Amino acid sequence: DQQVKQNSPSLSVQEGRISILNCDYTNSMFDYFLWYKKYPAEGPTFLISISSIKDKNEDGRFTVFLNKSAKHLSLHIVPSQPGDSAVYFCAASANFGNEKLTFGTGTRLTIIP
Amino acid sequence: NAGVTQTPKFRILKIGQSMTLQCTQDMNHNYMYWYRQDPGMGLKLIYYSVGAGITDKGEVPNGYNVSRSTTEDFPLRLELAAPSQTSVYFCASKKGGGNQPQHFGDGTRLSIL
Repeated sequence: DQQVKQNSPSLSVQEGRISILNCDYTNSMFDYFLWYKKYPAEGPTFLISISSIKDKNEDGRFTVFLNKSAKHLSLHIVPSQPGDSAVYFCAASANFGNEKLTFGTGTRLTIIP
Repeated sequence: NAGVTQTPKFRILKIGQSMTLQCTQDMNHNYMYWYRQDPGMGLKLIYYSVGAGITDKGEVPNGYNVSRSTTEDFPLRLELAAPSQTSVYFCASKKGGGNQPQHFGDGTRLSIL
């Protein structure tokens, strides 16, 4: 039962253009959502998060949008840079006091120079 | 600033052997987690701890044990290694409850042959 889904295993984007990564979830108890970036042979690095009380959060080139009615979130990267090439994981948690993360399967983003 | 440190980085085990994956953090974080990542999959939670002396099972705990005698350390024990435990193991931590991101180590790549 995949509660967090990233349906696009890979995405290629031209440098300077916008990258849009998508994530869907099924558990209505999730109230905190995060995006992690992962390079090969490294651990996931926290990128940006959003609480369910918001529908948008922005940090520099990165913006996360949350549509609770559709149970969908997206990460926008603009402009895309070669260093953004990595695997991006969407994760979610429900506030039960332990904040266990449920991860999607990841999207490999390749920025084409 | 060390953050979350995992040792060893790589290990090959024979079926039936045992080993301990070490995880230590120097951020005085109360919450710690162990995840495994299989190829093409997201991270799955094995065990977690919300403080010294407190541990609980995650999604895939079978074949593993943990202990949390100090705030800094959260070792993961494999008692009888099986090929199905071949994976990359990540340790993570966060300060406390509420909506905060988890911070990850760089992982231990484990092969069981």
